[in-house]
Amino acid sequence: DTEVTQTPKHLVMGMTNKKSLKCEQHMGHRAMYWYKQKAKKPPELMFVYSYEKLSINESVPSRFSPECPNSSLLNLHLHALQPEDSALYLCASSQTGIPDEKLFFGSGTQLSVL
Amino acid sequence: AQSVAQPEDQVNVAEGNPLTVKCTYSVSGNPYLFWYVQYPNRGLQFLLKYITGDNLVKGSYGFEAEFNKSQTSFHLKKPSALVSDSALYFCAVRDYYNFNKFYFGSGTKLNVKP
Repeated sequence: DTEVTQTPKHLVMGMTNKKSLKCEQHMGHRAMYWYKQKAKKPPELMFVYSYEKLSINESVPSRFSPECPNSSLLNLHLHALQPEDSALYLCASSQTGIPDEKLFFGSGTQLSVL
Repeated sequence: AQSVAQPEDQVNVAEGNPLTVKCTYSVSGNPYLFWYVQYPNRGLQFLLKYITGDNLVKGSYGFEAEFNKSQTSFHLKKPSALVSDSALYFCAVRDYYNFNKFYFGSGTKLNVKP
């Protein structure tokens, strides 16, 4: 199994809603990532978990809250988002500590904030 | 600091013709370079990587890339383009000091016309 699975594929939420994005991989990868991507732009790194511990937070607003319950799962909890947060949210995973290991990406969650 | 640049927002090529998508890099230490492709509303898919060794790297779907240290370039090439190659292409470099960080170029939209 070489897939990263993201759910839901599409999400529409109001600015007062609370929702969560889910990501799962069963490749034994110990690094998991959240990226945000606007249309026709490169992915922007948000968070990295390494061995289930948060290792990188790229100064993301607190309305985004990541969680890594175990080595296979990664969540992104959303609360009080703004319309400018509408984007494609991508999850990725990789081996950790190996420079030639590539990132495996999920298909993403297309988020619209109304 | 690590960075990659993709000087062309868009590349147009006729089906059957060779294609080149350009990437230049700036790194401290050894460059760990990657190419990814993204189809609409999908995650990024790995094409190929350069870590060390031969300057010509072969990857998925008939793509190859040439690493040129003196020109600090890592251009993506394919001898004969297909309409199905039309997509968004990203060059990326892995941070030499923090393997969990990837820096993506701005992306190049490849249009292959029949």
